[in-house]
Amino acid sequence: NAGVTQTPKFRILKIGQSMTLQCTQDMNHNYMYWYRQDPGMGLKLIYYSVGAGITDKGEVPNGYNVSRSTTEDFPLRLELAAPSQTSVYFCASSPPSYGYTFGSGTRLTVV
Amino acid sequence: AQKITQTQPGMFVQEKEAVTLDCTYDTSDQSYGLFWYKQPSSGEMIFLIYQGSYDEQNATEGRYSLNFQKARKSANLVISASQLGDSAMYFCAMKDRGSTLGRLYFGRGTQLTVWP
Repeated sequence: NAGVTQTPKFRILKIGQSMTLQCTQDMNHNYMYWYRQDPGMGLKLIYYSVGAGITDKGEVPNGYNVSRSTTEDFPLRLELAAPSQTSVYFCASSPPSYGYTFGSGTRLTVV
Repeated sequence: AQKITQTQPGMFVQEKEAVTLDCTYDTSDQSYGLFWYKQPSSGEMIFLIYQGSYDEQNATEGRYSLNFQKARKSANLVISASQLGDSAMYFCAMKDRGSTLGRLYFGRGTQLTVWP
């Protein structure tokens, strides 16, 4: 079982570049989330989605965009990368009343 | 206000000993869920244990148990018979009815080191 698949695992971006972090789940979960993890700060919610075509902002959405055209896919777009976006990014999915299944994470460095 | 507080940035325990990782939470809801996740140095997030607010018994999963004290709003993770492979970051998390559509609130984590 694949669960939640995130790509890429590592990426280095130059300031001002853009990229898309991919996230796919095969558990038919309606709820999907993007978090970023900064050292010593826990996980902060960037965006979330409750189903195809429905997305909303979390705590730290600035500099990011998402789309949800299918139940399976929830890509995160970084426009005009900044050093402050250097972080580890996690995608997760869940059924409504339980915990998350996480992807393996993407370690992004902006230089 | 912080929903989840983990006051121990780091903990050390000798192999085969038990260790308790502290977690307190803040909610006014009666219905909520508490979770613990493990993050080893490889980076993935691994679900360990879940406790529902209406569960009368403390949750257990193998060597993991959750010491749930509802009146004190604490949900401490107890790891019995620690192993070297337990060295990792541990996160406490909560989902309550105020959680925006299933969102989990995470604490800042506790780094556990198990020494031989």
